[in-house]
Amino acid sequence: GQSLEQPSEVTAVEGAIVQINCTYQTSGFYGLSWYQQHDGGAPTFLSYNGLDGLEETGRFSSFLSRSDSYGYLLLQELQMKDSASYFCAVSTPSGGYQKVTFGTGTKLQVIP
Amino acid sequence: DVKVTQSSRYLVKRTGEKVFLECVQDMDHENMFWYRQDPGLGLRLIYFSYDVKMKEKGDIPEGYSVSREKKERFSLILESASTNQTSMYLCATSPGTGEGDTQYFGPGTRLTVL
Repeated sequence: GQSLEQPSEVTAVEGAIVQINCTYQTSGFYGLSWYQQHDGGAPTFLSYNGLDGLEETGRFSSFLSRSDSYGYLLLQELQMKDSASYFCAVSTPSGGYQKVTFGTGTKLQVIP
Repeated sequence: DVKVTQSSRYLVKRTGEKVFLECVQDMDHENMFWYRQDPGLGLRLIYFSYDVKMKEKGDIPEGYSVSREKKERFSLILESASTNQTSMYLCATSPGTGEGDTQYFGPGTRLTVL
């Protein structure tokens, strides 16, 4: 099976940078995704890493090291609206298809 | 924009009732998923479907079944609801383009079983 580990809570100051780590153990591996979920809302896709390295999308960046089974989401110039839960998710082969397994989520609180 | 709708935002049922949760998507996506979300446990996959009339068990299928008679509709069925099935249920779809296939989520149904 698949297991993912990420911190349960992180607090950071508005304007600062925060990194949310994710380590995983999988049988097979395609890539690592990140999703954001505000309280009461649905998860929304942020990024995907299929290869090692850094992917940048505006203030958000995501990194993957396949050899270390590790990735992170980097949020820069934090804004109050970034307060949300962030989930890492691994894509793995499953019976000829692709299965996505989510981590338990990291609740980010941005404080003034 | 992808639109994924779920039949109810809030639902209250009694133990032993048969419960149907409906999910409809309007983007012709191949793949559809049902998750439940509980505090501290993240999103756990119940069932998924990669084609009409096709279904595969996820990580926690016990007590649930699904139906996909049409491409745009994926139903989750609780044959005999129990209190431990009180949860937030999220439907998701993805286009089926291979690796990195982005999932699009519906607004969720908060089910309470009394």
